[in-house]
Amino acid sequence: AQSVSQHNHHVILSEAASLELGCNYSYGGTVNLFWYVQYPGQHLQLLLKYFSGDPLVKGIKGFEAEFIKSKFSFNLRKPSVQWSDTAEYFCAVNPNQAGTALIFGKGTTLSVSS
Amino acid sequence: EPEVTQTPSHQVTQMGQEVILRCVPISNHLYFYWYRQILGQKVEFLVSFYNNEISEKSEIFDDQFSVERPDGSNFTLKIRSTKLEDSAMYFCASSEVQGQGYGYTFGSGTRLTVV
Repeated sequence: AQSVSQHNHHVILSEAASLELGCNYSYGGTVNLFWYVQYPGQHLQLLLKYFSGDPLVKGIKGFEAEFIKSKFSFNLRKPSVQWSDTAEYFCAVNPNQAGTALIFGKGTTLSVSS
Repeated sequence: EPEVTQTPSHQVTQMGQEVILRCVPISNHLYFYWYRQILGQKVEFLVSFYNNEISEKSEIFDDQFSVERPDGSNFTLKIRSTKLEDSAMYFCASSEVQGQGYGYTFGSGTRLTVV
C-alpha cells in the first residue's frame, strides 16, 4: 500500500538553527509531493509542492524541499528557523494517476525556542 | 483571502448518536473533500465530492458516513451512529480544479469527541 513516512515525530530547535525534516514515500510511479504546515489553532496551509522540473523547490517563509527520486525522499529544509515556525509539518503525496486523494505522513511537530 | 469555514470547531457526542459536521467551501470551488486525523496519527482521506456525487472514497468511508451538499454553499459530513473510534479532527477542503493537492484550501477542522 502507498505510504508516507516522516521519521521525526518531534523536533526541538533553538532560533537560528537549521532544520531538516525527513519524508519518504513508497510509490514507484510518478508522484506529486507536498509539504503542509499547521500552526496552532489554524488550518493546514500549503508550504510548497513539487510536480515536475527542478527537484529543488522553494516555498513560502524561506522553506525549501528537495525531491530525490532514487531515495523516494522529499525532505524539507530551512537554513535558520524562527520562533514563529513552531507548528506541525505534514508531508503528503499524490500518486500521479486518476484520483484526488492526498496521502499524508503522520506529521512532525517542530518546537522552536527563542 | 478566501477561506473554508468549518463548524463547529469542537463537538462532543455520545456513542451511537448522529453527528453532522458542516463546511462552507470557497464559493467558486467545484471539488470538495473530507479528511480526518485521529490524535497522534496521520491525516487520512475520507471522500471527495464533485457535481453532487461522490467521486472517490476511502475504505474508512463506510455506510456510517455520508456527504451532502444540501444547498449552494454548505458541504456536510454525517456520521450516522458514532463510535468511540470516530473521535478525530475532521478537515474539510475544497479546490477549483480536480485535486492532486494543487489548489486545495483546508478548513480549520472540527474536533469530534465521542464519549
